[in-house]
Amino acid sequence: QVQLVQSGAEVKNPGASVKVSCKASGDRLSDYGFSWVRQAPGEGLEWIGWISVYNGNTKYARKFHGRVSITFAMSTVHLELTSLGSDDTAVYYCAKDQTPFLLAVSVDYDFWGQGTLVTVSS
Amino acid sequence: SSELTQDPAVSVPLGQTVRITCQGDSLRRYHVSWYQQKSRQAPLLVFDGKNSRPSGIPDRFSGSSSGNTATLTITGTQAEDEAAYYCCSRDSDIIFGGGTKLTVL
Repeated sequence: QVQLVQSGAEVKNPGASVKVSCKASGDRLSDYGFSWVRQAPGEGLEWIGWISVYNGNTKYARKFHGRVSITFAMSTVHLELTSLGSDDTAVYYCAKDQTPFLLAVSVDYDFWGQGTLVTVSS
Repeated sequence: SSELTQDPAVSVPLGQTVRITCQGDSLRRYHVSWYQQKSRQAPLLVFDGKNSRPSGIPDRFSGSSSGNTATLTITGTQAEDEAAYYCCSRDSDIIFGGGTKLTVL
């Protein structure tokens, strides 16, 4: 069984950066990819980007290009988002691909972290 | 950019069938998956882009797609199905619909 445990809530000033982590446990994690998805208060889901632990590929949503970075090290997926604005206030989720060995991002995520609230406020 | 459109809210009497729809041009080319999200919880995959129900999801959940419209059908809706439902597909990026809040009467 896979478990994804995320780091705790963050409060940041506008213009700062935030790094959210997602520690994964389970079998054969190196065969899978992981996405980050966020949800602003009272709003829907928004995909941010993806990393394949299998081959190191990354893909980022165009909206976040230039200020997002997703990395993987020692069973932990990291999301770094820079130049924060108030509209980045959201719960950030990590999610694991359902299918292994993917060369491109999928629409199927079978395990999710518990979510990390990032609040951007002065 | 491509969008996926969902009705904001739908209601269904207990035990009846409800169909939740998702419309978008990208659905003509790409698979769609469906997520259930209960209040203050992470999303749960209830029907995947390979037209399958993940392990542990009740068989009252099913999905279909035709043209630019995808449909999640819940047959014999239960009280515990009350939640928001999101469709998910892709274009240049992964995109989610705006979500449908399902109320079970």
